[in-house]
Amino acid sequence: AQSVSQHNHHVILSEAASLELGCNYSYGGTVNLFWYVQYPGQHLQLLLKYFSGDPLVKGIKGFEAEFIKSKFSFNLRKPSVQWSDTAEYFCAVLNAGNNRKLIWGLGTSLAVNP
Amino acid sequence: DAGITQSPRHKVTETGTPVTLRCHQTENHRYMYWYRQDPGHGLRLIHYSYGVKDTDKGEVSDGYSVSRSKTEDFLLTLESATSSQTSVYFCAISLAGGADTQYFGPGTRLTVL
Repeated sequence: AQSVSQHNHHVILSEAASLELGCNYSYGGTVNLFWYVQYPGQHLQLLLKYFSGDPLVKGIKGFEAEFIKSKFSFNLRKPSVQWSDTAEYFCAVLNAGNNRKLIWGLGTSLAVNP
Repeated sequence: DAGITQSPRHKVTETGTPVTLRCHQTENHRYMYWYRQDPGHGLRLIHYSYGVKDTDKGEVSDGYSVSRSKTEDFLLTLESATSSQTSVYFCAISLAGGADTQYFGPGTRLTVL
């Protein structure tokens, strides 16, 4: 079965540290890729997405992600985190053979200390 | 933010009672989804709809039913609530389905005692 793996379940960083959250998926065909963020007590919001083209995708709030097809990965990065980035981050993958259903990772909880 | 509301936002109920959660959108999006979010399980799809009266099951559909009689409303019903259905329920919408971005509602926190 298709799956999405987020390797880091909990990450704690200090402000200004760099961030990289891993996301790997198991499907070998064409994929669409998403990162969502959920701030404490709020609903999920789209950070960025990749459908095609430049594998380096820029999102909101200074986030970016790189699609590496050979590694089945879509890692999220931010060069300098802020306290306000404290949130849960979810990776999601849609494959061309899936009937309009995203496959979600379990999420990574990020805590940024001021 | 997309125009998605969920009601109620919080509910406490007892085992065995029926519960209906409502998702309402003002975006005229064709696709609507119900997810549950639980610690350690992330987001799991319960049911989704690809048009009025067109619905299909997700990965955790047992114990849940849905209805969509209008484009703007997608109802999730727990016929006889159980404690295992205590969760946060999110509705999502998308314009074009699979490859399109999903936008999420604020969630409903349901507690089944």
